[in-house]
Amino acid sequence: AQSVTQLGSHVSVSEGALVLLRCNYSSSVPPYLFWYVQYPNQGLQLLLKYTTGATLVKGINGFEAEFKKSETSFHLTKPSAHMSDAAEYFCAVSPRTSNSGGSNYKLTFGKGTLLTVNP
Amino acid sequence: NAGVTQTPKFRVLKTGQSMTLLCAQDMNHEYMYWYRQDPGMGLRLIHYSVGEGTTAKGEVPDGYNVSRLKKQNFLLGLESAAPSQTSVYFCASSYLGRVIYEQYFGPGTRLTVT
Repeated sequence: AQSVTQLGSHVSVSEGALVLLRCNYSSSVPPYLFWYVQYPNQGLQLLLKYTTGATLVKGINGFEAEFKKSETSFHLTKPSAHMSDAAEYFCAVSPRTSNSGGSNYKLTFGKGTLLTVNP
Repeated sequence: NAGVTQTPKFRVLKTGQSMTLLCAQDMNHEYMYWYRQDPGMGLRLIHYSVGEGTTAKGEVPDGYNVSRLKKQNFLLGLESAAPSQTSVYFCASSYLGRVIYEQYFGPGTRLTVT
């Protein structure tokens, strides 16, 4: 069974500082990897995803993430935080194979990291 | 193109009451999902559907029922609400095709059971 661990339930940065949100997965086969963002009182919106190819993935709003197979990680970064980045961020995975007949459409989510940006 | 919509946005129930949450999507997606979100717990899958007329249990199905009579709609029912079901409920959908199963989420329904 897959699992996702997000280190740090709350991260606080200053405006203009580097944002680093950590995500590690547990899976025998590297899964598909996603980062979602949830702004206050809204649904989840896809930031970026890794499926195959280049391990550095660029997403919306200046975010990017790097898949590191050796570290089973998919950390999310942004060089310079903006006040509008304050939100909750979720890492999620779905299995790359469907040996059991099609379960690779289901996502497993981490518990989320709340990002606060201070002026 | 509205994407995924949910009705209602807010609801307060008394213990033992019943209600149905409606999810609708206009993207012709095959797969639909119901999640609940609780503080510090992330999103947990309640039930899902891989097509019209089919449903399956997720991680936390107890106390909920679902139906998918039409491809575009996915209903979540609470037959006898309990305070433990106080949560924010999200519906999502994804397409059938290539194996990149990105999910699209609705805005959520905030349910309080007193």
